[in-house]
Amino acid sequence: SQQGEEDPQALSIQEGENATMNCSYKTSINNLQWYRQNSGRGLVHLILIRSNEREKHSGRLRVTLDTSKKSSSLLITASRAADTASYFCATVRLSNAGNMLTFGGGTRLMVKP
Amino acid sequence: GAGVSQSPSNKVTEKGKDVELRCDPISGHTALYWYRQSLGQGLEFLIYFQGNSAPDKSGLPSDRFSAERTGGSVSTLTIQRTQQEDSAVYLCASSFGPVSTDTQYFGPGTRLTVL
Repeated sequence: SQQGEEDPQALSIQEGENATMNCSYKTSINNLQWYRQNSGRGLVHLILIRSNEREKHSGRLRVTLDTSKKSSSLLITASRAADTASYFCATVRLSNAGNMLTFGGGTRLMVKP
Repeated sequence: GAGVSQSPSNKVTEKGKDVELRCDPISGHTALYWYRQSLGQGLEFLIYFQGNSAPDKSGLPSDRFSAERTGGSVSTLTIQRTQQEDSAVYLCASSFGPVSTDTQYFGPGTRLTVL
């Protein structure tokens, strides 16, 4: 079953604008990760934030984590048409023996040129 | 080096038939995961291997689903007596080890359609 919700479910913006996606989860976590998926196939790992971190940057990506609210956000700055994809947050639970990922429902991002 | 590969990329089968899906993880990766993605259920975990053993099979939806891994490498997911609700994209991922921060690398998936 899914860990939580992502919003918005779909987001359409113009190239150059920033895109913000939010994720909520339900259980205590070890870390939270964001993945990107093109055309409903393989997932590509974007960034990982540990439970004791509050913010992390990677290139045009900025991730925040609020463990008290059990929520995270992914910001993509200066978006490009090539950023069009679905974005998923995924958590690794605190008590996981196998570190399996529990995914949110995803946000479909469309960046118009 | 090569990434995670899966075969076949697409599989169409008739209800009641058995299917086998294959995953070749990245060489040297000890952890292997199977997930599936469907319209109704989203992305969900199925089974996890560390080496050849499967310490967590909690995500397998029924006893029609089984998986094995041999030689610490290739894994096969078998679905017996397929049902229409088994239609989904089956994704395999591998990671270097069982550390919680080890990145999972995903294959392109097998799209299974049960008629």
